Amino acid sequence: KQEVTQIPAALSVPEGENLVLNCSFTDSAIYNLQWFRQDPGKGLTSLLLIQSSQREQTSGRLNASLDKSSGRSTLYIAASQPGDSATYLCAVRPGDQGAQKLVFGQGTRLTINP
Amino acid sequence: DAGITQSPRHKVTETGTPVTLRCHQTENHRYMYWYRQDPGHGLRLIHYSYGVKDTDKGEVSDGYSVSRSKTEDFLLTLESATSSQTSVYFCASGTSGTDTQYFGPGTRLTVL
Repeated sequence: KQEVTQIPAALSVPEGENLVLNCSFTDSAIYNLQWFRQDPGKGLTSLLLIQSSQREQTSGRLNASLDKSSGRSTLYIAASQPGDSATYLCAVRPGDQGAQKLVFGQGTRLTINP
Repeated sequence: DAGITQSPRHKVTETGTPVTLRCHQTENHRYMYWYRQDPGHGLRLIHYSYGVKDTDKGEVSDGYSVSRSKTEDFLLTLESATSSQTSVYFCASGTSGTDTQYFGPGTRLTVL
C-alpha cells in the first residue's frame, strides 16, 4: 500500500528566506506527483504536477523536483512571502491505479513571518 | 479555477440521521471524487465516479454511498450518520487527460 509522508509537519521562517518542503513515498511505481496548497477553511489548489518521466517542474518562485527511484520529492520556495503561509500537501497517483486516485501526505503547515 | 461548489458548507446533525452532501461542477469533467480530511489522516478518498452512473469505492467507503445521475452533480450520502463521520468533506473533479484535480471549498459536517 502506498504511503506518503511529509516532514516537518510545521515550519516557521522569516520573510525572504528560501525554503524546502519534503515529501517521501514508499512505492516508486507512481504515475505522477502533485503539490497542492490549502489555505485555512478552503479547498486545495494544485501548484505543480510532475509526471513520472520528469525530474522537475517550475512555476514562478516554486520549483518541484522528483526522484522516483528514491521515493522523494521536494518543493522549493524562493524568496518566501507572508502570502505563502498555508498548508502544502503532496499527493501521488499510484502507477497501478486508474481514475486518478491520489494518495495524500498529511501536509506541512508553513508560516512566513514578516 | 474550475467551477466546483459544495452544499451545504456547514451542517450539524444527530447520530442516526441521513445526510446528503452535494457537489456541483460546471467544467464538464468526467471524473468526480469525494474525500474526507481529518487531523492525523490527511485526505482520504471515499468514493469516485468516472462517468454518469459509474462509481467505485475508495479507501474509506464504509457507511457512505454516492450517486451521479448527471455529469455536473455528484452526491454523497451518509445513510445513518455516526460521530466518526464528523469531518471536512471535499469534492474534486478532473478530466482524464490532465490528471489535475480541482477541489471544491469543502463541507464541515458535525455529527452529535
